[in-house]
Amino acid sequence: EVQLVESGGGLVQPGGSLRLSCAASGFTFSSYAMSWVRQAPGKGLEWVSTISTNGGSTYHIDSVKGRFTISRDNSKSTLYLQMNSLRAEDTATYYCAKPSRDSSTWYSPHFDYWGQGTLLTVSS
Amino acid sequence: QSVLTQPPSASGTPGQRVTISCSGSSSNIGSNYVYWYQQLPGTAPKLLIYRSDQRPSGVPDRFSGSKSGTSGSLAISGLRSEDEADYYCAAWDDSLSGVLFGGGTKLTVL
Repeated sequence: EVQLVESGGGLVQPGGSLRLSCAASGFTFSSYAMSWVRQAPGKGLEWVSTISTNGGSTYHIDSVKGRFTISRDNSKSTLYLQMNSLRAEDTATYYCAKPSRDSSTWYSPHFDYWGQGTLLTVSS
Repeated sequence: QSVLTQPPSASGTPGQRVTISCSGSSSNIGSNYVYWYQQLPGTAPKLLIYRSDQRPSGVPDRFSGSKSGTSGSLAISGLRSEDEADYYCAAWDDSLSGVLFGGGTKLTVL
């Protein structure tokens, strides 16, 4: 059974840093690109970042470029999101998402499994 | 800034057919597939439609998707109370080199 378990969320002051983790199991993690998608309280979904299978290619939404870094450790089947210079507008539930093996490209928003999410609150 | 535009709300009575639109541009829907997600309150999104008109196994055939030009649509026929949820479209955008989600449509079953 595929499982994605996010952790690392919490309360952080503006300007602070935090690292989110997503522990994956039930599939060959190293064979899939992975993504982070966030959802601010009461708002819609917003894609944040995607990383290729070996970590060699990444995409980030403009609003987090230079502040957030997506990475992965295939030996630990874990996805990460390092978040620096946090702002109030980064407050959201962060989901990790796995693409389907039928995905047309490695960066397509064709997500067949999602974690339960971890809440980040940026506030003083 | 490229965006995917959805109506904020939609409604129907049980048994009716409802359609939700997703309007984009040539750099996203016009040149890439559309994906649709259903999100029930307090839960993670669930994939409903992929590659514009394909249904994953386990998704009822009451749900169907289509794409024409720079717009996509999700149709739900035989509306049921359990369909009450938020629905999101998504597509890759070639100009932004990123994924766009629509703003979401809250479906109410009257």
